[in-house]
Amino acid sequence: DQQVKQNSPSLSVQEGRISILNCDYTNSMFDYFLWYKKYPAEGPTFLISISSIKDKNEDGRFTVFLNKSAKHLSLHIVPSQPGDSAVYFCAASAPNTGNQFYFGTGTSLTVIP
Amino acid sequence: DAGITQSPRYKITETGRQVTLMCHQTWSHSYMFWYRQDLGHGLRLIYYSAAADITDKGEVPDGYVVSRSKTENFPLTLESATRSQTSVYFCASTYSYEQYFGPGTRLTVT
Repeated sequence: DQQVKQNSPSLSVQEGRISILNCDYTNSMFDYFLWYKKYPAEGPTFLISISSIKDKNEDGRFTVFLNKSAKHLSLHIVPSQPGDSAVYFCAASAPNTGNQFYFGTGTSLTVIP
Repeated sequence: DAGITQSPRYKITETGRQVTLMCHQTWSHSYMFWYRQDLGHGLRLIYYSAAADITDKGEVPDGYVVSRSKTENFPLTLESATRSQTSVYFCASTYSYEQYFGPGTRLTVT
C-alpha cells in the first residue's frame, strides 16, 4: 500500500513560471518530509525538507508547504528554469522506523524554454 | 572520490544466475539502504542496515540477500535472478535526516 502518493506523473511549465508539484500521504505518524530531484542515469539528490512542526520552508527558488490536516505537501519552484527539468520524488519518514524513508512514485517536470 | 559508489553500473544476466551488486560509502554513515526503481512504483525499499552485521527487510525483500560485514560496504545479492528483478537499483546512506544516493545500477535479467 503506497503511503506516499504523487498523483501527477508529469508536469510541463514554461520557463519563468511557477512549478507546483504535489504529494499526499496517508500515515499520520510521518514527521519529516523531503523532496528529491533525479536526473536520468543519476541517483536522486536531496533538494529541500520540512519538519512537521513547520508549515513552510524556503530555500532560494524552492519552497515546500506542508498541510498536516490534509496530509498534503507541495513543492513550489519559482521561477522555473530549464535545468529544473527532472523527476521529483517526495519522501516521508516517521520516528522509530530505523531511518526508513517512504517515497512517492515521482513527477517528471519539463520546463519549456 | 567521497560519497557512494555502486558497481557495476550496468549488468545483463540470465534467469537463474546469481548476481551481486556492490555498494561502497566513504563517510562511515551507520544506516545504508537498497532501493529498486520501477516505473509506476517509485523507489521501493528492499533491505536496510543500521550498522555492520545488522540488517532488516524492507518492502520488497523476496529474492534478495544482503550482508554488511564492514560499515562501508553493503552488497546486494540476487540468489537466482528472475525477469521481474529487471530494474534500476540504488544504494543510499543516511546522515542527519537526509539520504545520499549512489548513481544506480541498471540490471537486466534475460
